[in-house]
Parts: sequence; structure tokens; C-alpha cells
Amino acid sequence: QSVLTQPPSASGTPGQRVTISCSGSSSNIGSNTVNWYQQLPGTAPKLLIYSNNQRPSGVPDRFSGSKSGTSASLAISGLQSEDEADYYCAAWDDSRVVFGGGTKLTVL
Amino acid sequence: EVQLVESGGGLVQPGGSLRLSCAASGFTFSSYWMSWVRQAPGKGLEWVANIKQDGSEKYYVDSVKGRFTISRDNAKNSLYLQMNSLRAEDTAVYYCAREVVVAATHGWFDPWGQGTLVTVSS
Repeated sequence: QSVLTQPPSASGTPGQRVTISCSGSSSNIGSNTVNWYQQLPGTAPKLLIYSNNQRPSGVPDRFSGSKSGTSASLAISGLQSEDEADYYCAAWDDSRVVFGGGTKLTVL
Repeated sequence: EVQLVESGGGLVQPGGSLRLSCAASGFTFSSYWMSWVRQAPGKGLEWVANIKQDGSEKYYVDSVKGRFTISRDNAKNSLYLQMNSLRAEDTAVYYCAREVVVAATHGWFDPWGQGTLVTVSS
């Protein structure tokens, strides 16, 4: 049982916009910033969004993040086949990191 | 190029020990907090432990406290995870990751290593 709650799956067709939610509590998302990681099949996780809504260099602007209260969201616009991956939200909670259970995104 | 390379994984019997290593390159290792994160087969990510730049602070997830020890050697640009009293539920790919800290606040993990597989089984 993960501390942060994500839907186990999401899907969309190429070109569509999809959102993935991440729900936490006052001790994690409510008090700290949220980061998102993308894990392509068979590879290590990669930073996708940091500090709620910042994109590292090299991440397309099709990816965006937001946070409100104790929840956060990842939005992917102009969905592409290469976006098919697992997505994890994460936040600090006291002196530990907590992750969401992950959302498997399927591009139909 | 910033790079993290883990090693030391393998098959170990329940109750056994294993030491993981993570070799860092392309950045000033001694300036960063470092973490271990694991992923059981087919499961999600779980943070395991982290260590401050000078090794003076270490934190662990409850499930490994008293069994795992995180350490570092800044002269060798290396991070370690000593794992004792291993259990079947410790079976996972173990990733090391560099922590970015901003204004004394823990931030995000970037980059991650490629991971090393630890299998605990008789």
C-alpha cells in the first residue's frame, strides 16, 4: 500500500491529452513539492517533473505538472507512442521519500 | 556526463548478506546527498535509505532499519549499501540516485543508476 495514491492505469490515443493524479496528505504533498518520474519499459526511472511543475532540460513541454493542496497531477498533451511507460509521483514526508504506486500509461 | 553505476547484486540465501556499491562520476560526489531506491519485480518504487554529503546523517525506511547500513567514501566517489539478515521481500532491483537539495530542503532524484538485481531465495 503506497503512501501516495495514483490510478494503476491510464490510456489515450496519439495526440490526446491525458492526466495522472497523485493524492497524498498534509505531511507529504501538503508540505513539500512533488516530483514525477518516468520509467520506460526495462529501464531505470528518469526525472520528468520536479518542484511541482518544473521540467528538466530535454523533457518536452508536452509534459506538465501541477499541485493543489494535498494532490498533484501530471498532464501529457499531444500523446505519443513513446510516452508509453510507468509514471510515479514522489514527495518527501518528514525525512523519507514516499512514492505513488505508479500509473501504467498505455497509448492505444 | 553525470553517471551512476551500481554493482554487487546477486543471489543470496535468506538470512545472508550482500554489499551493493554505486560508483559516481561526472559530478562532485561529496557535494550531494545520495539515496538507494528499490523496485521489487513487477512492483513500484520504494525509497530505502539516504545519506548526507559527509555521512553524518543517515535515514532508512522502517522495513530495513537495523538490517541495512548506508555509507559512502567520498575519496572513492562511491556509495554503499550493506544488507544483512536478508529476507525474500528484499528481492528487488536496487537503484542509487543523486539527490538534489535546494535551500536545505530535500528535492528530487536525478540521475538514477541502471540498477542491480538482488534476489533472496533458497
